[in-house]
Amino acid sequence: EVQLVQSGAEVKKPGESLKISCQGYGYTFANSWIAWLRQMPGKGLEWMGMIYPGDSDVRYSPSFEGQVTISADKSINTAYLQWSSLTASDTAIYYCVRPVSPSSAYDAYFDPWGQGTVVTVSS
Amino acid sequence: QSALTQPPSVSGAPGQRVTVSCTGSSSNIGAGFAVHWYQRLPGKAPKLLIFGNNNRPSGVPDRFSGSKSGSSASLAITGLRAEDETEYFCQSYDSSLSGWVFGTGTTVTVL
Repeated sequence: EVQLVQSGAEVKKPGESLKISCQGYGYTFANSWIAWLRQMPGKGLEWMGMIYPGDSDVRYSPSFEGQVTISADKSINTAYLQWSSLTASDTAIYYCVRPVSPSSAYDAYFDPWGQGTVVTVSS
Repeated sequence: QSALTQPPSVSGAPGQRVTVSCTGSSSNIGAGFAVHWYQRLPGKAPKLLIFGNNNRPSGVPDRFSGSKSGSSASLAITGLRAEDETEYFCQSYDSSLSGWVFGTGTTVTVL
């Protein structure tokens, strides 16, 4: 079974750093993009960016460029999302997903989804 | 602010047909990009329900169907069941935002 397993919930203070993870199972991790999504409390999902673990090619949404860092270690089938200095507005659920593109890359859908990592930033 | 708009809630009696709309614009659905639908059960990761406007992954009952017209798309659920009571959301690509976008989410309630 293809699945993505994310690291557990985090509670952090403003200004702290954080790195959350997403491990893939059941497929060749290096050969598929992994994307990160954010869902802030009471809001819709937002695409943050994605990485191709095979060569670490990273694409960021313009809204998140410079705000987070996406990386991966293909030797352990794991992708990461990290912040150098958290703020309260980073409080959200973060999902990792695998984009699947049967034809055009723009028409990609996401399958599977990780279970989500809840990040709470509060003083 | 989500690029795709959905009604907050829809409801129907068991056995009835309900539809969930997903309204976009000329830079996403109206530009011809595919629409996909997901189901999110409480406490679970979202699950792919419809891909490529109207295709069901294996294992998804044929009670679920998708359609698209102009800048909007719809998810239809026929023969509504109690286990269908949960949140549904749509997804597409937006050329002006240079990324994938999601709907605001709709809670389906079985009366």
